Order: sequence, then structure tokens, then C-alpha cells
Amino acid sequence: SQQGEEDPQALSIQEGENATMNCSYKTSINNLQWYRQNSGRGLVHLILIRSNEREKHSGRLRVTLDTSKKSSSLLITASRAADTASYFCATGVKGQGAQKLVFGQGTRLTINP
Amino acid sequence: DAGVIQSPRHEVTEMGQEVTLRCKPISGHNSLFWYRQTMMRGLELLIYFNNNVPIDDSGMPEDRFSAKMPNASFSTLKIQPSEPRDSAVYFCASSLGANTGELFFGEGSRLTVL
Repeated sequence: SQQGEEDPQALSIQEGENATMNCSYKTSINNLQWYRQNSGRGLVHLILIRSNEREKHSGRLRVTLDTSKKSSSLLITASRAADTASYFCATGVKGQGAQKLVFGQGTRLTINP
Repeated sequence: DAGVIQSPRHEVTEMGQEVTLRCKPISGHNSLFWYRQTMMRGLELLIYFNNNVPIDDSGMPEDRFSAKMPNASFSTLKIQPSEPRDSAVYFCASSLGANTGELFFGEGSRLTVL
């Protein structure tokens, strides 16, 4: 089964509102990352939070990590129509020479103008 | 840098044919990953290489799938023979390696097997 599970599967909000997506995972991790995927395109890295960090900000993005609950959340503030995309959490698991990322099923976010 | 380059972007083939997908990672990146994305199963890691050496191929679905990385700037994913259930978008991604890095994805190769 997938390491990361996002919740909700789909979210539709009005432009200007905040969007919150959650991710749960099962095993120990190096770090947790969030990616965005526009329709028909590849995934783009948004933000990385290490296992010893609890919160991180990048522009309008805020990520939290609770390793005791094995969960993370991504908050997008003041949403814009251009934020419409699918968002994936990915858990970094240490491997030989490079970590491998295991992705969740994603949250499909729609921002209505 | 041009980013991760994949080809072809779209491939339509008939069941039983051989399919070869190609990937050029970002120059200087030491790790390369092949993922498959479908609606039913999401993003699945098929195989990854570090310094051109296959490290973990446990995600390769069956013997019909094979991947190579003959040098630091090129990798292929081959399906022979292809089946309709192989229809998916195949992504290549690269990273600097180590145990921290973000992945840089290509735009994907959309495969349809009829």
C-alpha cells in the first residue's frame, strides 16, 4: 500500500480562501516532501521538511510535520486560480546512496474564481 | 539546464510490441528514478539508480520490464512484450543523490497499448 495517504482526495474552494491538505504515513522517514502536478505535466517540488523539523514556510505555503502521529499538513494561504492542481506528499526513505520517495495518491485542488 | 528530458512524450502501440522509453537526467545528478502513474494505483516507483547502478528494482512489475543506465546522461525503460495494462504515464526523475534530495521530474511519457 502507499506510504503516504492524502486527505481529502478532492477539495474545491473559492479564490482567496485557504486550502489545507493532510498526509499520513506508516513508517520512519528521512523527510517529507510536497509536490504539485498540473494536468498533463510532471511533478514539481514545493517544499521539504526534515524529520526533526515541525514547521516550515515558503511563500504562501506552510507545512507541518508530526512524527508522533505520522502526519503532515500543507496549507496554501490566499489561494489563486493558478493553484489549481494535484498535490502529493512523498515520504523519503533512506536507501543505498540515495533516498527513495514514496508518493501518496494526491489531493486534487480546484480554486474557483 | 533544460531539466529532465523524456521521450517520446506520447506512444501508442499494439499489444505485443516492444516499447522503449528514454530519459536524460539533469547534468550532475547522481540518482535516477522511474515512476509509473495510473488513476488506479497512483505513482509507483519502478526502479532507481545511483551512479548508474540499479539499486532497487522491487517495483518493476514483471520480467517484461527492464531498465538500463549505460552512462550518467541516459537511461531507458523497456517493455517487451507490451500489454494493455501497461498503459500509463511513465515519469523519469533525477536527484543529486545523498539522502536528502528533492526529485526533478520530466514531463512524462504517456503510453497507450491497444
